[in-house]
Amino acid sequence: AQKVTQAQTEISVVEKEDVTLDCVYETRDTTYYLFWYKQPPSGELVFLIRRNSFDEQNEISGRYSWNFQKSTSSFNFTITASQVVDSAVYFCALSETTGNQFYFGTGTSLTVIP
Amino acid sequence: ETGVTQTPRHLVMGMTNKKSLKCEQHLGHNAMYWYKQSAKKPLELMFVYSLEERVENNSVPSRFSPECPNSSHLFLHLHTLQPEDSALYLCASSQEETGLGYEQYFGPGTRLTVT
Repeated sequence: AQKVTQAQTEISVVEKEDVTLDCVYETRDTTYYLFWYKQPPSGELVFLIRRNSFDEQNEISGRYSWNFQKSTSSFNFTITASQVVDSAVYFCALSETTGNQFYFGTGTSLTVIP
Repeated sequence: ETGVTQTPRHLVMGMTNKKSLKCEQHLGHNAMYWYKQSAKKPLELMFVYSLEERVENNSVPSRFSPECPNSSHLFLHLHTLQPEDSALYLCASSQEETGLGYEQYFGPGTRLTVT
């Protein structure tokens, strides 16, 4: 079974719309970390955020916000007022403290149409 | 620029060739990683090095051979590859090993095509 599921393969929105990227994870660890990365067409994954399993506070950074809910094992990412530069593939990832593993989802390709 | 560089950016090789991918990090990190990214599949962690010692090998075929001479450099030696090995190979580094929850910083990748 997938450790990290990103059910949305591709999303297209018109510029200035809000968009939410879903991420559902699975782990038995009580201590774990969740991440979001952005991969623009250039190919380089860019780190966006890290949350640990004990911190369920939602976070906002500019137009980006993250909603972490342990009850539903979800760590969703919302982009407000999307821009063309937001077009990229976004990956959610899970790091477990046991086993030294880092699990990525299959990614969501976001296209923002001008 | 994330502080992780990879060379070459593109590589085409035949199945009988031997080549090496190089990764260098300028972040003072202690852990380095090789990933394989194929279309429509999650990133696959291939190797993990911490303080130049290999700590993880996710059952990668022996035609891929990593080398970590110091904490700033990581190589992936390739020999007798198969066409299905064509992919984007990404290098990453982090302050410490993954299990401690440190974020990883990625290089731009090497696009490998095996003919």
